Amino acid sequence: AQTVTQSQPEMSVQEAETVTLSCTYDTSESDYYLFWYKQPPSRQMILVIRQEAYKQQNATENRFSVNFQKAAKSFSLKISDSQLGDAAMYFCAYRSGSGATNKLIFGTGTLLAVQP
Amino acid sequence: DTGVSQDPRHKITKRGQNVTFRCDPISEHNRLYWYRQTLGQGPEFLTYFQNEAQLEKSRLLSDRFSAERPKGSFSTLEIQRTEQGDSAMYLCASSPNLQPEQYFGPGTRLTVT
Repeated sequence: AQTVTQSQPEMSVQEAETVTLSCTYDTSESDYYLFWYKQPPSRQMILVIRQEAYKQQNATENRFSVNFQKAAKSFSLKISDSQLGDAAMYFCAYRSGSGATNKLIFGTGTLLAVQP
Repeated sequence: DTGVSQDPRHKITKRGQNVTFRCDPISEHNRLYWYRQTLGQGPEFLTYFQNEAQLEKSRLLSDRFSAERPKGSFSTLEIQRTEQGDSAMYLCASSPNLQPEQYFGPGTRLTVT
């Protein structure tokens, strides 16, 4: 069974600085997708970024980028020029690409605080 | 596109009562998912519909839980004989066919007293 691990329960960053959130996963599949979702306090989950396992190029989305290391099964999120609005719980998620299941498997999350 | 909506946003019920939640997906999204999220945890998958067909169910979905999507549009999740352990946020998500990402609604927070 696939698992997702986020080993940093909490992180803190100064406004305008850069922070990296870690995620590792375990799978025997070669085809899959990885996601980072953001969940602000009392607000709904928002998709931040997506990575296809077959793509070697790391995904980027404005100030958000990932470092996808397939062999190491690592998928970290880098937030550049952090803003107060980035404060939220961040979840890493895995989805099989085999078609056998469509469910997302989530990690336990990292709570990011942004200091002014 | 108004996003995924869920109703109610909050529900307080007494142990033993039945509750029903509704989810309206993004229009034309034929895939719909239910997840449960407890405090300090990531969401856990409950069930998945493609159109009106329920194609996948988690072992977390006990006999007291049932979900429907009768016309392939909105979905309902019913919990019978609620228990205190059912207290959680129930999240609904939808996705278009052939797209892996899922779009979440605001959730229904259930408190069982």
